[in-house]
Amino acid sequence: DTGVSQDPRHKITKRGQNVTFRCDPISEHNRLYWYRQTLGQGPEFLTYFQNEAQLEKSRLLSDRFSAERPKGSFSTLEIQRTEQGDSAMYLCASSSDRQETQYFGPGTRLLVL
Amino acid sequence: GQQLNQSPQSMFIQEGEDVSMNCTSSSIFNTWLWYKQDPGEGPVLLIALYKAGELTSNGRLTAQFGITRKDSFLNISASIPSDVGIYFCAGDQTSNSGYALNFGKGTSLLVTP
Repeated sequence: DTGVSQDPRHKITKRGQNVTFRCDPISEHNRLYWYRQTLGQGPEFLTYFQNEAQLEKSRLLSDRFSAERPKGSFSTLEIQRTEQGDSAMYLCASSSDRQETQYFGPGTRLLVL
Repeated sequence: GQQLNQSPQSMFIQEGEDVSMNCTSSSIFNTWLWYKQDPGEGPVLLIALYKAGELTSNGRLTAQFGITRKDSFLNISASIPSDVGIYFCAGDQTSNSGYALNFGKGTSLLVTP
């Protein structure tokens, strides 16, 4: 296993379009997290899954954002009606029940024009 | 989430010098983590600390979990050019509903040969 993977690595879209990102966690990890990172800042928590259940959402996750993890493996993050303020790096991380340490993927960099 | 204060904001040093950076919070954390991030990539875990007072090393890196559980430091000995990057501290409060990490704003490290 090579770690957490994310796809695509880069996405450029026009304002108002919908985008979807995918995250594949480390295979034995049942916990999955999404974070957003803007320039000059540390990652900010968006949402958390334990298996397929979405257990926590940040107030940053507006109603235009939705995340799923239907089979408890990979997850998708969808942003509807994108705005320029959505431009950021979207990071996925995973961890196991036995160890709380979170391992991050390479991120998806989104640019909304 | 709780804001972590990281200092210094940036450091510019010569190869071979030792580096020290720290992170403080007004809140207690159960876990402290140190990550390094290269441009366009996700954060890579360097050291994880799980107990107050714990001192842990990883090669040339040493980190400590403060006894008050409100601070942590990271030292890098004999710096080399590949140490260049942004170093983030992250704390985990392990709430009942999730394990969101709170990040500092990072310390940017530049190393000249």
